[in-house]
Amino acid sequence: DTGVSQNPRHKITKRGQNVTFRCDPISEHNRLYWYRQTLGQGPEFLTYFQNEAQLEKSRLLSDRFSAERPKGSFSTLEIQRTEQGDSAMYLCASSKLGQGRKNIQYFGAGTRLSVL
Amino acid sequence: DAKTTQPPSMDCAEGRAANLPCNHSTISGNEYVYWYRQIHSQGPQYIIHGLKNNETNEMASLIITEDRKSSTLILPHATLRDTAVYYCIVRVGSGNTPLVFGKGTRLSVIA
Repeated sequence: DTGVSQNPRHKITKRGQNVTFRCDPISEHNRLYWYRQTLGQGPEFLTYFQNEAQLEKSRLLSDRFSAERPKGSFSTLEIQRTEQGDSAMYLCASSKLGQGRKNIQYFGAGTRLSVL
Repeated sequence: DAKTTQPPSMDCAEGRAANLPCNHSTISGNEYVYWYRQIHSQGPQYIIHGLKNNETNEMASLIITEDRKSSTLILPHATLRDTAVYYCIVRVGSGNTPLVFGKGTRLSVIA
C-alpha cells in the first residue's frame, strides 16, 4: 500500500492552455474521487468514479473539465482552456467498496495548479 | 453546504489535550460524524468517525453528545506535528457520497 499518488505535484500554465493531472489510487480501491481546494477553503467535490463508471459530477465541473478512469485503475482530470479562476489544489481520494459503514477516503497530496 | 459548524481557530500548548468542538444540530439518524485533518501542503487525513458511541483510536478520541447534535475531537497529548486544519463532517456511513468539507478549525500547537 503506497498510498494515493498524484502527478504532477505542481503545474504552472498560461491562461488558455490545456492541462492534465493524473491520480493513481490505492491498489484495489474501486472508488475514486476528485476534489478542488482554493486558498482558505475546504476541499470541494468535483466528480466520483466507481471502477470505470463516472457516477456523479458536481455543478462545479464545467464543460471545460473532463475526468476519465478508463480501466478502473488510474484516473486523469483534464482542464481545457484554463482560466485564472482554475488556480487551485486538485485532490484525489480513493476508497474501497465493501468497507461497510467505514467507507474511509484516503487522499493524495494533490496537484497545485497556477494559471498565469 | 457543510452541515457542521466549527470555530475558525484554536491554540493548544504542546503536551496538553486539544479539544476541538463541532456542532451538527441537523444530523440525521443514519449519518456518522467523521473527522479529517489537513497539514499544510498535504491532502486531508482520516482521523476517526462515530455514530453515537464514543470512539477512540491511536490518534484521537471522539465524544458525541447523547442527542448527537454536537461532538468533540480530543487529541490527548498534542504535539507540534498536530498543527493542522481539522474538519468535522457528517455523512451517511455506508454510502458513496462525497465528503462535504466546511472551513474547519485551524489548530495551532504552541511550544
